[in-house]
Amino acid sequence: AQTVTQSQPEMSVQEAETVTLSCTYDTSESNYYLFWYKQPPSRQMILVIRQEAYKQQNATENRFSVNFQKAAKSFSLKISDSQLGDTAMYFCAFSIKNPNQFYFGTGTSLTVIP
Amino acid sequence: DAGVIQSPRHEVTEMGQEVTLRCKPISGHDYLFWYRQTMMRGLELLIYFNNNVPIDDSGMPEDRFSAKMPNASFSTLKIQPSEPRDSAVYFCASSPLGQGSYEQYFGPGTRLTVT
Repeated sequence: AQTVTQSQPEMSVQEAETVTLSCTYDTSESNYYLFWYKQPPSRQMILVIRQEAYKQQNATENRFSVNFQKAAKSFSLKISDSQLGDTAMYFCAFSIKNPNQFYFGTGTSLTVIP
Repeated sequence: DAGVIQSPRHEVTEMGQEVTLRCKPISGHDYLFWYRQTMMRGLELLIYFNNNVPIDDSGMPEDRFSAKMPNASFSTLKIQPSEPRDSAVYFCASSPLGQGSYEQYFGPGTRLTVT
Protein backbone atom coordinates (compact mmCIF):
# COMPACT_ATOMS: atom_id res chain seq x y z
CA ALA A 1 0.00 0.00 0.00
CA GLN A 2 1.13 3.53 -0.73
CA THR A 3 0.99 6.07 2.08
CA VAL A 4 2.03 9.63 2.71
CA THR A 5 2.54 10.90 6.25
CA GLN A 6 2.83 14.49 7.38
CA SER A 7 3.45 14.39 11.10
CA GLN A 8 3.18 18.14 11.75
CA PRO A 9 -0.46 19.25 11.63
CA GLU A 10 0.45 22.87 12.41
CA MET A 11 3.58 24.98 12.29
CA SER A 12 4.44 28.62 12.57
CA VAL A 13 7.46 30.68 11.55
CA GLN A 14 8.53 34.27 11.91
CA GLU A 15 8.57 36.32 8.77
CA ALA A 16 11.96 36.14 7.00
CA GLU A 17 12.92 32.99 8.86
CA THR A 18 13.34 29.47 7.46
CA VAL A 19 10.98 26.59 8.12
CA THR A 20 11.05 22.92 7.17
CA LEU A 21 7.94 20.80 6.67
CA SER A 22 8.32 17.05 6.98
CA CYS A 23 6.90 14.31 4.82
CA THR A 24 7.50 10.58 4.69
CA TYR A 25 6.02 8.12 2.29
CA ASP A 26 5.91 4.43 1.67
CA THR A 27 5.90 2.69 -1.66
CA SER A 28 7.43 -0.35 -3.27
CA GLU A 29 7.57 1.40 -6.61
CA SER A 30 10.91 2.54 -7.99
CA ASN A 31 9.61 5.12 -10.43
CA TYR A 32 7.52 7.87 -8.92
CA TYR A 33 7.24 11.62 -8.49
CA LEU A 34 6.93 13.67 -5.34
CA PHE A 35 5.18 16.99 -4.97
CA TRP A 36 4.42 19.75 -2.55
CA TYR A 37 1.18 21.62 -3.04
CA LYS A 38 0.15 24.82 -1.30
CA GLN A 39 -3.45 25.62 -0.45
CA PRO A 40 -3.89 29.22 0.74
CA PRO A 41 -7.14 30.48 2.27
CA SER A 42 -8.47 30.97 -1.26
CA ARG A 43 -8.40 27.12 -1.31
CA GLN A 44 -6.75 26.97 -4.74
CA MET A 45 -4.31 24.04 -4.86
CA ILE A 46 -1.01 25.34 -6.20
CA LEU A 47 1.91 23.17 -7.20
CA VAL A 48 4.99 24.43 -5.35
CA ILE A 49 7.69 21.98 -6.33
CA ARG A 50 8.19 18.52 -7.76
CA GLN A 51 10.91 15.90 -7.49
CA GLU A 52 11.52 12.93 -9.74
CA ALA A 53 12.51 9.88 -7.72
CA TYR A 54 15.25 8.83 -10.10
CA LYS A 55 17.00 12.19 -9.76
CA GLN A 56 19.35 12.50 -6.82
CA GLN A 57 19.63 16.26 -7.05
CA ASN A 58 17.18 18.07 -4.81
CA ALA A 59 14.68 20.29 -6.60
CA THR A 60 14.67 24.03 -5.97
CA GLU A 61 12.16 26.71 -6.91
CA ASN A 62 13.21 30.15 -5.74
CA ARG A 63 12.72 30.19 -1.95
CA PHE A 64 11.42 26.61 -1.90
CA SER A 65 13.68 23.59 -1.86
CA VAL A 66 13.36 19.96 -0.94
CA ASN A 67 15.50 17.47 0.91
CA PHE A 68 14.83 14.18 -0.82
CA GLN A 69 16.16 11.10 0.95
CA LYS A 70 15.09 8.17 -1.18
CA ALA A 71 16.40 5.41 1.05
CA ALA A 72 14.67 6.92 4.05
CA LYS A 73 11.56 7.72 1.98
CA SER A 74 11.64 11.26 3.22
CA PHE A 75 10.71 14.39 1.29
CA SER A 76 10.85 17.58 3.32
CA LEU A 77 10.12 21.11 2.11
CA LYS A 78 12.26 24.04 3.16
CA ILE A 79 10.91 27.55 2.82
CA SER A 80 13.55 30.25 3.12
CA ASP A 81 12.90 33.90 3.86
CA SER A 82 9.29 33.13 4.80
CA GLN A 83 6.71 35.67 3.64
CA LEU A 84 3.20 36.39 4.86
CA GLY A 85 1.87 35.02 1.59
CA ASP A 86 3.34 31.63 2.46
CA THR A 87 0.62 31.18 5.08
CA ALA A 88 -1.30 28.16 3.80
CA MET A 89 -1.93 24.46 4.12
CA TYR A 90 0.87 22.45 2.54
CA PHE A 91 0.25 18.99 1.16
CA CYS A 92 2.88 16.43 0.33
CA ALA A 93 1.94 14.03 -2.46
CA PHE A 94 3.41 11.38 -4.65
CA SER A 95 2.38 9.78 -7.89
CA ILE A 96 3.06 6.49 -9.58
CA LYS A 97 2.16 5.77 -13.14
CA ASN A 98 1.16 2.15 -13.38
CA PRO A 99 -1.51 2.09 -12.22
CA ASN A 100 -1.88 5.81 -12.16
CA GLN A 101 -2.31 6.81 -8.54
CA PHE A 102 -1.87 10.05 -6.69
CA TYR A 103 -1.53 10.05 -2.92
CA PHE A 104 -1.84 13.05 -0.64
CA GLY A 105 -0.77 13.56 2.95
CA THR A 106 -3.11 15.11 5.49
CA GLY A 107 -1.44 18.49 5.27
CA THR A 108 0.54 20.88 7.46
CA SER A 109 -0.99 24.24 8.28
CA LEU A 110 1.75 26.87 8.17
CA THR A 111 1.32 30.32 9.64
CA VAL A 112 3.87 33.04 8.95
CA ILE A 113 3.94 35.52 11.82
CA PRO A 114 4.74 39.16 11.06
CA ASP B 1 -3.56 28.82 -20.65
CA ALA B 2 -6.75 29.34 -18.63
CA GLY B 3 -6.06 26.46 -16.29
CA VAL B 4 -8.68 24.05 -15.04
CA ILE B 5 -12.09 25.70 -14.93
CA GLN B 6 -14.81 24.66 -12.53
CA SER B 7 -18.35 25.87 -12.19
CA PRO B 8 -20.13 26.90 -10.15
CA ARG B 9 -17.69 28.20 -7.54
CA HIS B 10 -20.34 28.02 -4.85
CA GLU B 11 -23.48 25.96 -4.69
CA VAL B 12 -26.09 25.98 -1.98
CA THR B 13 -28.92 23.51 -2.29
CA GLU B 14 -31.51 21.75 -0.20
CA MET B 15 -31.34 18.14 0.77
CA GLY B 16 -32.84 15.90 -1.87
CA GLN B 17 -32.02 18.16 -4.79
CA GLU B 18 -29.82 17.19 -7.70
CA VAL B 19 -26.44 18.91 -7.93
CA THR B 20 -24.21 19.03 -10.99
CA LEU B 21 -20.63 20.21 -10.82
CA ARG B 22 -18.74 21.01 -14.00
CA CYS B 23 -15.13 20.91 -15.03
CA LYS B 24 -13.13 21.92 -18.08
CA PRO B 25 -9.61 20.45 -17.99
CA ILE B 26 -6.52 22.00 -19.46
CA SER B 27 -6.43 21.40 -23.18
CA GLY B 28 -4.23 18.45 -24.10
CA HIS B 29 -4.36 16.81 -20.69
CA ASP B 30 -5.41 13.19 -20.95
CA TYR B 31 -6.25 12.53 -17.30
CA LEU B 32 -9.00 14.10 -15.24
CA PHE B 33 -9.59 13.63 -11.53
CA TRP B 34 -12.41 14.51 -9.16
CA TYR B 35 -11.60 15.05 -5.48
CA ARG B 36 -13.60 15.92 -2.41
CA GLN B 37 -12.11 17.84 0.50
CA THR B 38 -13.57 18.01 4.01
CA MET B 39 -12.10 18.86 7.37
CA MET B 40 -12.84 15.39 8.67
CA ARG B 41 -11.56 13.29 5.78
CA GLY B 42 -9.09 15.56 4.04
CA LEU B 43 -8.62 15.22 0.30
CA GLU B 44 -10.28 12.15 -1.19
CA LEU B 45 -10.01 10.93 -4.76
CA LEU B 46 -13.48 10.13 -6.04
CA ILE B 47 -12.88 9.06 -9.63
CA TYR B 48 -10.48 9.58 -12.49
CA PHE B 49 -10.66 9.37 -16.27
CA ASN B 50 -8.09 8.62 -18.93
CA ASN B 51 -8.94 9.79 -22.42
CA ASN B 52 -12.57 10.30 -21.33
CA VAL B 53 -12.89 6.74 -20.00
CA PRO B 54 -13.49 6.19 -16.26
CA ILE B 55 -10.59 4.17 -14.91
CA ASP B 56 -11.15 3.99 -11.18
CA ASP B 57 -14.35 5.01 -9.42
CA SER B 58 -13.67 3.14 -6.19
CA GLY B 59 -13.62 6.42 -4.30
CA MET B 60 -17.17 7.34 -5.21
CA PRO B 61 -18.98 7.19 -1.88
CA GLU B 62 -22.24 5.67 -3.07
CA ASP B 63 -24.64 5.34 -5.94
CA ARG B 64 -25.90 8.85 -5.44
CA PHE B 65 -22.67 10.05 -7.03
CA SER B 66 -22.00 9.74 -10.73
CA ALA B 67 -19.44 11.26 -13.08
CA LYS B 68 -19.21 11.55 -16.82
CA MET B 69 -16.73 12.81 -19.34
CA PRO B 70 -18.50 13.05 -22.70
CA ASN B 71 -15.49 14.63 -24.40
CA ALA B 72 -11.94 15.71 -23.73
CA SER B 73 -12.92 19.19 -22.65
CA PHE B 74 -15.79 18.59 -20.25
CA SER B 75 -16.69 16.51 -17.24
CA THR B 76 -19.52 16.51 -14.73
CA LEU B 77 -19.96 15.19 -11.23
CA LYS B 78 -23.57 14.69 -10.24
CA ILE B 79 -25.08 14.05 -6.84
CA GLN B 80 -28.68 12.87 -6.79
CA PRO B 81 -30.22 13.16 -4.28
CA SER B 82 -27.93 15.40 -2.28
CA GLU B 83 -27.54 15.08 1.49
CA PRO B 84 -26.06 17.44 4.12
CA ARG B 85 -23.04 15.13 4.53
CA ASP B 86 -22.14 15.84 0.90
CA SER B 87 -21.21 19.38 1.90
CA ALA B 88 -17.56 19.81 0.93
CA VAL B 89 -15.24 21.43 -1.54
CA TYR B 90 -15.05 19.48 -4.78
CA PHE B 91 -11.94 19.80 -6.89
CA CYS B 92 -11.32 18.83 -10.45
CA ALA B 93 -7.74 18.31 -11.59
CA SER B 94 -6.15 17.39 -14.88
CA SER B 95 -2.81 15.90 -15.75
CA PRO B 96 -0.78 15.32 -18.91
CA LEU B 97 0.26 11.94 -17.55
CA GLY B 98 0.22 10.32 -20.97
CA GLN B 99 2.95 12.72 -21.99
CA GLY B 100 5.14 11.66 -19.10
CA SER B 101 4.34 14.45 -16.68
CA TYR B 102 2.96 13.30 -13.38
CA GLU B 103 1.75 16.47 -11.74
CA GLN B 104 -1.88 17.41 -11.41
CA TYR B 105 -3.26 20.87 -12.00
CA PHE B 106 -6.22 21.77 -9.87
CA GLY B 107 -9.23 23.94 -10.53
CA PRO B 108 -10.40 26.51 -7.99
CA GLY B 109 -12.92 24.10 -6.49
CA THR B 110 -16.67 24.19 -5.96
CA ARG B 111 -17.86 24.76 -2.42
CA LEU B 112 -21.06 22.76 -2.00
CA THR B 113 -23.40 23.34 0.90
CA VAL B 114 -26.40 21.07 1.31
CA THR B 115 -28.93 22.28 3.87
